[in-house]
Amino acid sequence: SQQGEEDPQALSIQEGENATMNCSYKTSINNLQWYRQNSGRGLVHLILIRSNEREKHSGRLRVTLDTSKKSSSLLITASRAADTASYFCATDAGGTSYGKLTFGQGTILTVHP
Amino acid sequence: GAVVSQHPSRVICKSGTSVKIECRSLDFQATTMFWYRQFPKQSLMLMATSNEGSKATYEQGVEKDKFLINHASLTLSTLTVTSAHPEDSSFYICSAVRGAGNTIYFGEGSWLTVV
Repeated sequence: SQQGEEDPQALSIQEGENATMNCSYKTSINNLQWYRQNSGRGLVHLILIRSNEREKHSGRLRVTLDTSKKSSSLLITASRAADTASYFCATDAGGTSYGKLTFGQGTILTVHP
Repeated sequence: GAVVSQHPSRVICKSGTSVKIECRSLDFQATTMFWYRQFPKQSLMLMATSNEGSKATYEQGVEKDKFLINHASLTLSTLTVTSAHPEDSSFYICSAVRGAGNTIYFGEGSWLTVV
């Protein structure tokens, strides 16, 4: 399956700063999700935004979706060292393919204490 | 706690042997599960869709005779890597869709090392 693109591929910031990651995708979607993965571990679901939504918040997370540009962004505010991880966007085309996710290439976030 | 469980979490096998990885939905029935593979420092790639009671649907480029998927019950899908080679060493992770709310749950993943 075609992978979306994420940028930056790596992001290094200081604790307390904001981190913004971007994701672009190629096909029509039902929803877009963001996941976090700590090194060598499974996925943690962060947030889901539906195709008819433009912005969503969850705690320190803010996700935007622009379906006309086929792009999304994840903003983590007031970052903490514990936010250090890889972040992936994943798109779901929905319908009979619901649950079948296409992942972006990921952004490796390092938050320095 | 986990609602989708994978076993084993880590396995080392010898080249040429077969290894089975299990994916269980713990408190819900899943007619469809998905298997992904992730090589080190790369993203997750969908390998196949596991359908309860029927054949799995494989993504392009995934050898169905090498990666055998069996979804024998509504709570269990298994992935068997046959005649494993070192290049099959990877992180394998499954997911299942829980009907109510259509929430996707991922297993904890399984690290396979072929030596």
